[in-house]
Amino acid sequence: KNEVEQSPQNLTAQEGEFITINCSYSVGISALHWLQQHPGGGIVSLFMLSSGKKKHGRLIATINIQEKHSSLHITASHPRDSAVYICAALLSGGGADGLTFGKGTHLIIQP
Amino acid sequence: DAEITQSPRHKITETGRQVTLACHQTWNHNNMFWYRQDLGHGLRLIHYSYGVQDTNKGEVSDGYSVSRSNTEDLPLTLESAASSQTSVYFCASSESMSTDTQYFGPGTRLTVL
Repeated sequence: KNEVEQSPQNLTAQEGEFITINCSYSVGISALHWLQQHPGGGIVSLFMLSSGKKKHGRLIATINIQEKHSSLHITASHPRDSAVYICAALLSGGGADGLTFGKGTHLIIQP
Repeated sequence: DAEITQSPRHKITETGRQVTLACHQTWNHNNMFWYRQDLGHGLRLIHYSYGVQDTNKGEVSDGYSVSRSNTEDLPLTLESAASSQTSVYFCASSESMSTDTQYFGPGTRLTVL
C-alpha cells in the first residue's frame, strides 16, 4: 500500500467550479508538497506545508497533521488549471529517501 | 535567470547499451535528485546527492548510477539499458530538503527497444 494516497484519481469539472483534491498519508511527516504537472510534462512546485494553510492566487492548500490529511483547493476554476496535481510527503526523519509521492490527480476543467 | 536543464529531451536506445542523461542547474543548489515517472507508479526516487562527491541510492536505484563532481551537474547513467527502464526521467534540485521547494527539469523521455 502506498504511504501517500490521493483522491480522486480523475476529476472533470466545469469552468468556475470550486475544486478539492485530497491527499492522505499513513505515517508521520515533516512536510508536504503540492506539485502541478502540465499537459506538456513540466512539473512546478505549488506549495510546501508543514502546518496550517497557504494561499497563492486561486490556489489554497491546507494540512491537518493530526488527521494526516491535506487538501488542495482551486477557486473559480479555469481551463488553464487542467493538469495533474501531485502531493509528496517528506517522511519524518528527513532525508531525500523520505519524499514519497502520490500517484496524482488528473484534473480537466471544461469551458 | 537560474534554471535546471536536462538533455537530451528524447532518447531512443537499444537494450544493453550504456546511456547517460544530463542534468545541469544554475541555482547553486546543494541537493539534486533523479526521479522516474511511470503510469500507475507516479514519481519514484532513483538517486540523490546532498553535495559534491555525495551520492545516495533511492527507492529504485538498481541499474542506475550517478556521480557528482561539481555543484551544477548530476548525470544519470544506465549501465546496460533494459526495456523496463523505458520511462520519463526528471531531475530536480533544492537548497535544502525539508524547508525548500524542489525545482524540476523539463524531463527526458527514454525509450529502450
